Amino acid sequence: GQQVMQIPQYQHVQEGEDFTTYCNSSTTLSNIQWYKQRPGGHPVFLIQLVKSGEVKKQKRLTFQFGEAKKNSSLHITATQTTDVGTYFCAGNNNDMRFGAGTRLTVKP
Amino acid sequence: DAGVIQSPRHEVTEMGQEVTLRCKPISGHDYLFWYRQTMMRGLELLIYFNNNVPIDDSGMPEDRFSAKMPNASFSTLKIQPSEPRDSAVYFCASSLVRTGGYTFGSGTRLTVV
Repeated sequence: GQQVMQIPQYQHVQEGEDFTTYCNSSTTLSNIQWYKQRPGGHPVFLIQLVKSGEVKKQKRLTFQFGEAKKNSSLHITATQTTDVGTYFCAGNNNDMRFGAGTRLTVKP
Repeated sequence: DAGVIQSPRHEVTEMGQEVTLRCKPISGHDYLFWYRQTMMRGLELLIYFNNNVPIDDSGMPEDRFSAKMPNASFSTLKIQPSEPRDSAVYFCASSLVRTGGYTFGSGTRLTVV
């Protein structure tokens, strides 16, 4: 069945450093979504990517969807303490599967 | 819109007791999902409904779990009898379309002792 792998599992950065999390699917996806979950909170939808090679930006966040529509990445430029949380990808192929998430901690 | 509303926020119960979790989806959303989150297993889809009809319950762990959606504005997830391994955060989410972005509720943290 469809598997969505996400790496790294944890990432600790100094405030101001960049951060990237990667998502890989065993099958071609129709779309991919990204969510953020603050500590003690619930997942919050950030964005959906649909097209091969698509790149979208939200302020300091850059989302990419691979040409083969099997992988994706989320890059945060110059992290801030407000970026702390777990970032999940969710791949869609008739069935939406969440990755295990990357927990980001930021040292001020 | 107040978003997806779940109750209770926290539930502590003794093993063997019945537990009922409640969810009110966003008005107009045709899809409702129940997820369970644990450190070990991450986010697991338990069941989802489309227009109040259960579509896929393959993620429901066992017969102790049941879910209903009697109308478009209310759903329940019931565990009877509860066991300590059911301890987790249970999220309800809703969306306009099956593959669209999901709006999650604040979750119910269930502890079975």
